[in-house]
Amino acid sequence: AQKITQTQPGMFVQEKEAVTLDCTYDTSDPSYGLFWYKQPSSGEMIFLIYQGSYDQQNATEGRYSLNFQKARKSANLVISASQLGDSAMYFCAMTRRDTGNQFYFGTGTSLTVIP
Amino acid sequence: DTAVSQTPKYLVTQMGNDKSIKCEQNLGHDTMYWYKQDSKKFLKIMFSYNNKELIINETVPNRFSPKSPDKAHLNLHINSLELGDSAVYFCASSQDYIQGPPTDTQYFGPGTRLTVL
Repeated sequence: AQKITQTQPGMFVQEKEAVTLDCTYDTSDPSYGLFWYKQPSSGEMIFLIYQGSYDQQNATEGRYSLNFQKARKSANLVISASQLGDSAMYFCAMTRRDTGNQFYFGTGTSLTVIP
Repeated sequence: DTAVSQTPKYLVTQMGNDKSIKCEQNLGHDTMYWYKQDSKKFLKIMFSYNNKELIINETVPNRFSPKSPDKAHLNLHINSLELGDSAVYFCASSQDYIQGPPTDTQYFGPGTRLTVL
């Protein structure tokens, strides 16, 4: 069964606008972590932001914030003030204690920032 | 200094050959991983080692054999390469914490693009 779902294969956003990339997850384990990674066309995987299942507040890192809605099991990434350099693939991932901290990745969302 | 490094970055080889990809991390992490990213960009875990001990071994052909000489290195050896092995292979590492929610961010190497002709 799919544990991480990203339903948007491709997204477009105007430069300087905000964009939300969707991610839903499936687990019955109360202890888990959620991550977002960026993969630009150069290919490397860059860690962006982390949210723990027990965290009371939504995580933020610069222009990145994670809209964590535990009851809905969603962990959407919000990028504010988009820049051309934000054009990349974005992957949501989850790790859970009950699976030995194994990472499960979503299928990714390709974001294109339009000048 | 690069935290997680892989060599080579590109590998082009003929079907049937045997090849190795090397990975080293200087983060002092206990756990290292190999992932395969296919042409559709899907990332799938292949192996995980914790302190030189195999932890995760997903359904991977036994032509793939990981080797961890020490906790800073995890190499991937592939025998009898097939066309379907063409992909990008990523090494990653993390520091596993036993208590509390899993906060073990995985840090990735630059990837090795393997092309089998």
